Parts: sequence; C-alpha cells; structure tokens
Amino acid sequence: AQTVTQSQPEMSVQEAETVTLSCTYDTSESDYYLFWYKQPPSRQMILVIRQEAYKQQNATENRFSVNFQKAAKSFSLKISDSQLGDAAMYFCAYRSAMGNNNDMRFGAGTRLTVKP
Amino acid sequence: EAGVAQSPRYKIIEKRQSVAFWCNPISGHATLYWYQQILGQGPKLLIQFQNNGVVDDSQLPKDRFSAERLKGVDSTLKIQPAKLEDSAVYLCASTGLAGGRNEQFFGPGTRLTVL
Repeated sequence: AQTVTQSQPEMSVQEAETVTLSCTYDTSESDYYLFWYKQPPSRQMILVIRQEAYKQQNATENRFSVNFQKAAKSFSLKISDSQLGDAAMYFCAYRSAMGNNNDMRFGAGTRLTVKP
Repeated sequence: EAGVAQSPRYKIIEKRQSVAFWCNPISGHATLYWYQQILGQGPKLLIQFQNNGVVDDSQLPKDRFSAERLKGVDSTLKIQPAKLEDSAVYLCASTGLAGGRNEQFFGPGTRLTVL
C-alpha cells in the first residue's frame, strides 16, 4: 500500500522568506499524482498545487513550487516570499493513476508558522 | 459557486450514543467522499460515492458506521454507537470527475468529541 511521510511536524519561517516542506512517499507504481493541500486553522482544506508523475517539469503556482524527484520518491513544497496568510497545516497527498483506485493518501501534515 | 456544506460544525456526545453528519456537495459533483481526520493525522478515506452508488467503503468500520447518498446529491454519515476513538473531524469532499489530477473540494468539517 502507498504511504506518504511528512517528517516535519512543525516548521516556521520569517515573513518574506522562503521555506521548504518535505514529503516522501512509497509506491511501486509508475503513474500517479501528487498534491499539496493547505488547511488554515478552523477553515477548509484547499488545493495548493499538484504534479503528474509522468511530467518531468516541476509544477509552479505563483509563490508555490515543488521539487519532484521521482527516483527518490520525494515531493517537497517551496513557498517563496512567505506571507502571514500562509500559516496553516500543509498536507502532502498521493493518488494512484491505475485502475479504479481513486483513494487519496495523505501524510500526517506539517504545521507552518509565519513570523512577522 | 457555493462550496461543500457540512453540518453540524461541532458535536459533543457520550460514548455509546448515536450521531449523524450531513454533507451537501458542490452542485453537479457526482463523486462524494467522507474522510476521518484524527488530531495530528492526515485525513483517512472512509467511503466514496459515485452518484448514489458506493465505489469504495473498504476502510469504513461497518459495525458502527454507515453512510448513504440516496438521491445522488447530499449525504449522511452515521455512527452508532460511538466510541471514544471516534473523536475526530469528519470531512466531506466532492469532485466532478473522480481520480486522476482532479481536485477534491473539501467542506469545513464536523468536529466530533466523544466523552
């Protein structure tokens, strides 16, 4: 079964600085999708960025970018020019592209604090 | 576009009592998910519906949990009887097309405390 590991329970960053959140996953599949979701305090989870495993180019969304290392099974999230509103729990997630398995597997999350 | 709605937002019950949660997905979304998020963990899928049919309920504790989506729109998740370990946030999500790169849209969740 696929597992997702986020080894950093908590991270902090100074406003306007850059921070990288780590995520590794375990799978024997070659085709899959990876996601980063953000869950602000007492607010609903929203998608930050996603990556298709067959794409070599790293996904970017404004200040958010990923470093996807398929061989290493690593999928880190970089937040540039951090803002106070970036403070939240961040979850890395994996979804298989094979068959009817649409189950999304989440990591345990990383709590990001942004210091003014 | 209205998001995924859930109610209640908070619920406190005693063990062995029953509880029900309601979810209304985004209009037109055929696929609906219920997740359980225990404090300090990521969400874990309980059940997935495609319209009014169950696609995956392999991780649903069927001796105490049940869910339905009778008309293929809103859904109810029930726990009967509740145990202490059921304390968690129950998240509902929906998507127009299941799987692949498609985004799941989440509701605000229902925080359940079992005493």
